[in-house]
Amino acid sequence: NAGVTQTPKFQVLKTGQSMTLQCAQDMNHNSMYWYRQDPGMGLRLIYYSASEGTTDKGEVPNGYNVSRLNKREFSLRLESAAPSQTSVYFCASSLTGNTEAFFGQGTRLTVV
Amino acid sequence: GNSVTQMEGPVTLSEEAFLTINCTYTATGYPSLFWYVQYPGEGLQLLLKATKADDKGSNKGFEATYRKETTSFHLEKGSVQVSDSAVYFCALSDPVEGGSEKLVFGKGTKLTVNP
Repeated sequence: NAGVTQTPKFQVLKTGQSMTLQCAQDMNHNSMYWYRQDPGMGLRLIYYSASEGTTDKGEVPNGYNVSRLNKREFSLRLESAAPSQTSVYFCASSLTGNTEAFFGQGTRLTVV
Repeated sequence: GNSVTQMEGPVTLSEEAFLTINCTYTATGYPSLFWYVQYPGEGLQLLLKATKADDKGSNKGFEATYRKETTSFHLEKGSVQVSDSAVYFCALSDPVEGGSEKLVFGKGTKLTVNP
């Protein structure tokens, strides 16, 4: 029972580099999310996808892009990393937006 | 959109003490309400939920009641243990265009329980 799988677990980037965070779920969920977690800020929604083929901005989308590749996969791309994007990133999925969300283990990203 | 406000932490208690973590919400309609817990180094996991007014969610000795009249969903536990030390998040569903919903989280409350 894999649930939600995120890769990588840790990453260090230099300012200006790009990278893609991968997320896959095996629960046939419709909704998928990307959050960032910073000290004292809780979880802030970056982007979400309510269903395959749709994506929408959340609270803090600037500097990020997403792709809902298929029902299973939802990737987050940083085109030009900045130190302000140093954070822990969580992917989550749920059957719908008002049902239990399942979270991945997180990606700890440091931009230097 | 819908939003939640939960009490700021950190909260430090002795083992067997009573716990309350306050959560209030602002919403149109009747959102589903959730409490999630995050143990150190892990992702969040659902602790309990309630989907309509007066529902009581419960799990692992924790309880929360969906109070429409006070727009609250406070988390309580009668006797905390050291193993309850974690960060607790209140969350609710928020309608979006197209008839779907997304999950919105509070800032989290860190609980430390000392032996």
